[in-house]
Amino acid sequence: QVQLVQSGPEVKKPGASVKVSCKTSGYTFSMYGISWLRQAPGQGLEWMGWLSVYNGNRNYADKFQGRVTLTTDTSTNTAYMELRRLTPDDTAVYYCARDGLAYADNWNWFDPWGHGTLVTVSS
Amino acid sequence: QSVLTQPPSVSAAPGQKVTISCSGSTSNIGSNYVSWYQQIPGTAPKLLIYDNDKRPSGMSDRFSGSKSGTSAALGITGLQTGDEADYYCVSWDSSLSAVLFGGGTRLTVL
Repeated sequence: QVQLVQSGPEVKKPGASVKVSCKTSGYTFSMYGISWLRQAPGQGLEWMGWLSVYNGNRNYADKFQGRVTLTTDTSTNTAYMELRRLTPDDTAVYYCARDGLAYADNWNWFDPWGHGTLVTVSS
Repeated sequence: QSVLTQPPSVSAAPGQKVTISCSGSTSNIGSNYVSWYQQIPGTAPKLLIYDNDKRPSGMSDRFSGSKSGTSAALGITGLQTGDEADYYCVSWDSSLSAVLFGGGTRLTVL
């Protein structure tokens, strides 16, 4: 079955960077896009950006433009999200989620989701 | 503040039906598909409905989706205590070129 397994929790100081991984299995990695989202404690879900593994297209939420980079490693079927210049407001659970539709030129829907990675930013 | 508007909470008794609304605009719900997700506290969200009204394989038919104009709705029938969760609507916004979430609705099964 399709699985997205994320890296473990991180604790970072303000101003640092974090890179979260999302190792996939159970499907052809190159056929689907991957989105990254986050959820601050007690808050709703927030979309950060999307990357098509198929054609390399990327789309970032304005809020994170210039501070986030989405990449993939097709040799290990793994997606990565790097967020720079962290502040305490970046404390959240970060999720990766696969597209529901293969060979899409844009995001369609999220299915399935990774289990989440808690990133804590504190001095 | 979310661009897609959901009621913060809804409640109903076991066995009853509940409807969760999601209101947007012409640039998102009015011209793009809506999907719905269930998030049980402490776990990752799960897809319930995609393309406005389609259920993924294996999803219970107690869950249904609809869309009219710039609003969408999620219906849940035969409520069970296991349905207690947060529910989110999501749509693409063509003006913002971004994925938008509703603020989420907490369902309580009394």
